[in-house]
Amino acid sequence: QVQLVQSGAEVKRPGASVNVSCKASGYTFSSYYMHWVRQAPGQGLEWMGIINPGGGSTTYSQKLQGRVTMTRDTSTSTVYMELSSLRSEDTAVYYCARELYDGSGCFDYWGQGTLVTVSS
Amino acid sequence: QSVLTQPPSASGTPGQRVAISCSGSNSNIGGNYIYWYQQVPGTAPKLLIYKNDQRPSGVPDRFSGSKSGTSASLAISGLRSEDEADYYCAAWDDSLSGPVFGGGTELTVL
Repeated sequence: QVQLVQSGAEVKRPGASVNVSCKASGYTFSSYYMHWVRQAPGQGLEWMGIINPGGGSTTYSQKLQGRVTMTRDTSTSTVYMELSSLRSEDTAVYYCARELYDGSGCFDYWGQGTLVTVSS
Repeated sequence: QSVLTQPPSASGTPGQRVAISCSGSNSNIGGNYIYWYQQVPGTAPKLLIYKNDQRPSGVPDRFSGSKSGTSASLAISGLRSEDEADYYCAAWDDSLSGPVFGGGTELTVL
């Protein structure tokens, strides 16, 4: 069965970086794009970017461009999301989500979420 | 503020029918499929409706979706207490080259 398992919660100081991983299993890793979506406390869903696990190409939201980097390791079927220059506004639950149809916004499987807290 | 517009809240009594609206523009809903997600607080979102009106396996037929122009709607009939959750609409946005979400609608079953 398809599973996306994310790394554990993180607490970071302002200005630091955080790296969240998402390990995929149960399907062909390179066949589906992976997105990252975050949700601040009590707020809605915000799209962060997308990575093609096959070729490694990425597209980031304009808001986070320059601070976010998405990579993948095909040998372990894992995608990574690094967010730098953290601010308190980056406190959120971060999700990886598999896109069922390319260029759709249709996410059929989600990771369990990783809480990142930015606090001094 | 979110690119897609949803009412912040909706409510109904058990057995009732409720509808949640979602409005956008030609660059998103007007030219692409709409998707709906259900999120129980503290858990990850779950795909509820795909390609405007299709239900994934396991989603009860009490849930239905529709789209017209730059607006869409999610309807829940025979409301049940377990339907209490947040509901989000989403669509690809051609101008942003990424998906956009509604702000979410909190559904309360009275």
